[in-house]
Amino acid sequence: QKEVEQNSGPLSVPEGAIASLNCTYSDRVSQSFFWYRQYSGKSPELIMSIYSNGDKEDGRFTAQLNKASQYVSLLIRDSQPSDSATYLCAVTRRGGSTLGRLYFGRGTQLTVWP
Amino acid sequence: SQTIHQWPATLVQPVGSPLSLECTVEGTSNPNLYWYRQAAGRGLQLLFYSIGIDQISSEVPQNLSASRPQDRQFILSSKKLLLSDSGFYLCAWSVSDRVGFFGQGTRLTVV
Repeated sequence: QKEVEQNSGPLSVPEGAIASLNCTYSDRVSQSFFWYRQYSGKSPELIMSIYSNGDKEDGRFTAQLNKASQYVSLLIRDSQPSDSATYLCAVTRRGGSTLGRLYFGRGTQLTVWP
Repeated sequence: SQTIHQWPATLVQPVGSPLSLECTVEGTSNPNLYWYRQAAGRGLQLLFYSIGIDQISSEVPQNLSASRPQDRQFILSSKKLLLSDSGFYLCAWSVSDRVGFFGQGTRLTVV
């Protein structure tokens, strides 16, 4: 059973629109959640982390977490062509030596067209 | 600030040859260190993690091994590469509640 699942996409939105990326996870012990952006051929870059139910906003990005539904999402407002990348969802069990052991989904490819 | 270095950036190796990839971290002490692999068409998979010198845990059985001879040095090795070892190898570190910072990666092609 896959631990973290994402819609593979590709997701295509026009410039200025809201892009919505979704992720579900199977392990109820998971307590920390992350969104990474990965440009083609590059390493992943951390863009958002969320630990509590609800919304967390950072600039144009909003992460939403619902632990009861085991669901985490990322909204990108006012999407720009530079946002075109693959977005990876990752989860981990919080605390101690397990904190950095990340389990990733396969990613959703986002294209923002001008 | 913390930085992480990986090398080489790209590598082409024949089947059956050995492998050594190195990762070093600067600007922090006693980090947790990780090796991930991203194979074509697959997600990032955790291979090894280390919470200290000579303390290595493996996540999945495989043809690879890891070592941590110094606090901020993490090495990924293989005695004999397989075609299935091809992929994008990423080193990462975490400290306390700061997690998931990756190096620039090594793209390995086994031919």
